[in-house]
Amino acid sequence: AQSVTQPDIHITVSEGASLELRCNYSYGATPYLFWYVQSPGQGLQLLLKYFSGDTLVQGIKGFEAEFKRSQSSFNLRKPSVHWSDAAEYFCAVGAEFHGGYQKVTFGIGTKLQVIP
Amino acid sequence: EAGVAQSPRYKIIEKRQSVAFWCNPISGHATLYWYQQILGQGPKLLIQFQNNGVVDDSQLPKDRFSAERLKGVDSTLKIQPAKLEDSAVYLCASSLRLKGQNSYEQYFGPGTRLTVT
Repeated sequence: AQSVTQPDIHITVSEGASLELRCNYSYGATPYLFWYVQSPGQGLQLLLKYFSGDTLVQGIKGFEAEFKRSQSSFNLRKPSVHWSDAAEYFCAVGAEFHGGYQKVTFGIGTKLQVIP
Repeated sequence: EAGVAQSPRYKIIEKRQSVAFWCNPISGHATLYWYQQILGQGPKLLIQFQNNGVVDDSQLPKDRFSAERLKGVDSTLKIQPAKLEDSAVYLCASSLRLKGQNSYEQYFGPGTRLTVT
């Protein structure tokens, strides 16, 4: 079974500083990887996804993530954080099952606080 | 394009009562998911439908939770009877796999926050 580890439960950064959120996954085959963001009282919104190809993936809101197979990682980065980026971020891994359906497993999330 | 709709947004019930949540996915999305998100945790899949058939309900507590997706469109999730530990946000999501593509991205509704007292 696949799993996701987000080692940082809470991160605080200053506005304008760079950001990196860590994500490690466990899956025996090539994974489908996702990053979602959740603002308070809202559902999850997809930031970016990796299925294959270029290991550096660009997403919305200026975010990017890099897939590193050797490290089983899919870290999320942003060069300059804005106050509106304060939210909770979830890494997820998808595995395809016989019959063509996919099951997605989410990490526990990293809560990002942005200070002026 | 309208997003995933859920109702109600909030619900407070006493333990041992029953409750139902409703979800209307994005039009044309064949796959529908119900997740439970307990405070401080990531979403946990309860049940996944492909059209009106269940493809995964391995984490659904079937002694008290039930779900259906009649006609392969909207869905209801029911809890009967509720326990204190069922207090959580219940998220509905839908996805569309385009032919020939591995597009499994899920679109989430705003969720229903359930408080069991």
